[in-house]
Amino acid sequence: DQQVKQNSPSLSVQEGRISILNCDYTNSMFDYFLWYKKYPAEGPTFLISISSIKDKNEDGRFTVFLNKSAKHLSLHIVPSQPGDSAVYFCAASDNTDKLIFGTGTRLQVFP
Amino acid sequence: EADIYQTPRYLVIGTGKKITLECSQTMGHDKMYWYQQDPGMELHLIHYSYGVNSTEKGDLSSESTVSRIRTEHFPLTLESARPSHTSQYLCATGLNPYEQYFGPGTRLTVT
Repeated sequence: DQQVKQNSPSLSVQEGRISILNCDYTNSMFDYFLWYKKYPAEGPTFLISISSIKDKNEDGRFTVFLNKSAKHLSLHIVPSQPGDSAVYFCAASDNTDKLIFGTGTRLQVFP
Repeated sequence: EADIYQTPRYLVIGTGKKITLECSQTMGHDKMYWYQQDPGMELHLIHYSYGVNSTEKGDLSSESTVSRIRTEHFPLTLESARPSHTSQYLCATGLNPYEQYFGPGTRLTVT
């Protein structure tokens, strides 16, 4: 049973607009959430994270929102740029030495 | 930023062959991880290590084995490759599970 779900396999957004990527989780013990970005033929790179004690974390164009009651988090990218086109993975940790990943959302930003 | 290397990047090999996927890091991190990922799927943890002489199996059962004789080196071995082993294998390192640094991956095809 998947504990971290990314229900949208792909998203297409125009350059300059906002991209919103969503992630749902089922395990209430998760206390830390991360977003990774992956280009083809490369490994994932860490993008942004949020602790369960917060509901928002911002880093430049990237903002992650956490809604614990809904077990939902989202990544906002604004403004979106063509270089943001990649696969984005949501991941969660329950304070063990492991990360649980979602299946990823492929973002395409077109001019 | 961690420096982590994986070789080979691509490998096509016949059924029954023994293979070793190499992973090295230069950051001196104790924790290292191996993930397996199929296209459109989540990353599955197959092995991890807390340090020298420490290895643990991950959440996804795997016929591969790992060793950790040196801090910087965490090779993965398949004694007898099968077509079901065809996948991408990603190595990661980190001081904690929250921010893992990934290598570029090895794409393995077993014919």
